[in-house]
Amino acid sequence: LAKTTQPISMDSYEGQEVNITCSHNNIATNDYITWYQQFPSQGPRFIIQGYKTKVTNEVASLFIPADRKSSTLSLPRVSLSDTAVYYCLVGDYYNQGGKLIFGQGTELSVKP
Amino acid sequence: GAVVSQHPSRVICKSGTSVKIECRSLDFQATTMFWYRQFPKQSLMLMATSNEGSKATYEQGVEKDKFLINHASLTLSTLTVTSAHPEDSSFYICSAATSGDGETQYFGPGTRLLVL
Repeated sequence: LAKTTQPISMDSYEGQEVNITCSHNNIATNDYITWYQQFPSQGPRFIIQGYKTKVTNEVASLFIPADRKSSTLSLPRVSLSDTAVYYCLVGDYYNQGGKLIFGQGTELSVKP
Repeated sequence: GAVVSQHPSRVICKSGTSVKIECRSLDFQATTMFWYRQFPKQSLMLMATSNEGSKATYEQGVEKDKFLINHASLTLSTLTVTSAHPEDSSFYICSAATSGDGETQYFGPGTRLLVL
């Protein structure tokens, strides 16, 4: 399983765009990249998933360069409620049964 | 997205007793479910992979006889903490994987276990 590296913490202000970058140098051909959000005492919530290039949904965008050794989660116009821990995970869903190993995550603090 | 539920959400028990936690996929079938444990201010730690109709696969360092996992149907997996001790107090989270163009795991809300 590819190891991921993220900043431990980030600060932002309401209304700003936040970009969280994750490094996964050992990503394998069959690996997908998934980002989750976790609030205290809750289970992680799926945000976005991608394989390459750019993926966008109603809450975030995911940018993946051609070499796939990193990915960037972009949260547009954050609000106080976006204060949470964000996890980047890499997993081979077909050959490893979806097994995911969590890193330390990035603790995002949004200030007014 | 897909919904995963857990029951109970919180449980307090005496040391030496056993506690069962249920994980259900409400609107999809999951051949594989996963159990995690999370201590305060720490990340999730994978405990085991639960496969429907077969034995669970445990991560290194996780005691099979202490954390019994049963995946009896495509929508239900249970984790039983046997002879619980205070050090087993933690936040237990399950997840279930959908299939398709790259499987996506959806997580339950978690179960807070406090062993007195």
